[in-house]
Amino acid sequence: KNQVEQSPQSLIILEGKNCTLQCNYTVSPFSNLRWYKQDTGRGPVSLTIMTFSENTKSNGRYTATLDADTKQSSLHITASQLSDSASYICVVSDNAGNNRKLIWGLGTSLAVNP
Amino acid sequence: GAVVSQHPSWVICKSGTSVKIECRSLDFQATTMFWYRQFPKQSLMLMATSNEGSKATYEQGVEKDKFLINHASLTLSTLTVTSAHPEDSSFYICSASPRGRLNTEAFFGQGTRLTVV
Repeated sequence: KNQVEQSPQSLIILEGKNCTLQCNYTVSPFSNLRWYKQDTGRGPVSLTIMTFSENTKSNGRYTATLDADTKQSSLHITASQLSDSASYICVVSDNAGNNRKLIWGLGTSLAVNP
Repeated sequence: GAVVSQHPSWVICKSGTSVKIECRSLDFQATTMFWYRQFPKQSLMLMATSNEGSKATYEQGVEKDKFLINHASLTLSTLTVTSAHPEDSSFYICSASPRGRLNTEAFFGQGTRLTVV
């Protein structure tokens, strides 16, 4: 069964600190893996999208890694800011050829405190 | 990046009435748009795929007669919740990908909070 599991479920850190969120998936075949940031009451916003051949991708203070062999990904946030408080969702696309086949994780709820 | 606009951002309606939600791709054409539903502390759940000029494709368990989808142009899809009931209260989100790039980045609207009283 295609699944995406994220950990931790929730996380609280102090402003300025770094953190790493984890994503394990069992989706096959694999097309790409995405990380989205979703603020409360808003739609998801894309942070990174990686294909099979990409190991790492950065977007400002966000750096995502992908290990296609172990089917694991991580999202590292450096020098956290209060505005980073949100839900971070890992999404995997299978090789069905369109965005209908997106397998969604439940997200990690991050709270950045002053 | 591409922009998807959703309207309204929130709506309160009486039980039994219908509500229409619009999803527009502002700076690109989208032959396919997707409608999601999200309950508190849960992930997005795909409801249906909206296809321009043809019938929508509904996911298993989603009532097509209750959630009417119209995709009349390459930049607009609408979701109408008919005869709404309190259990339809949820956060509805649409997404779209630029034409010809269906398996790449999806852009999401800001969502619509529907409350049925």
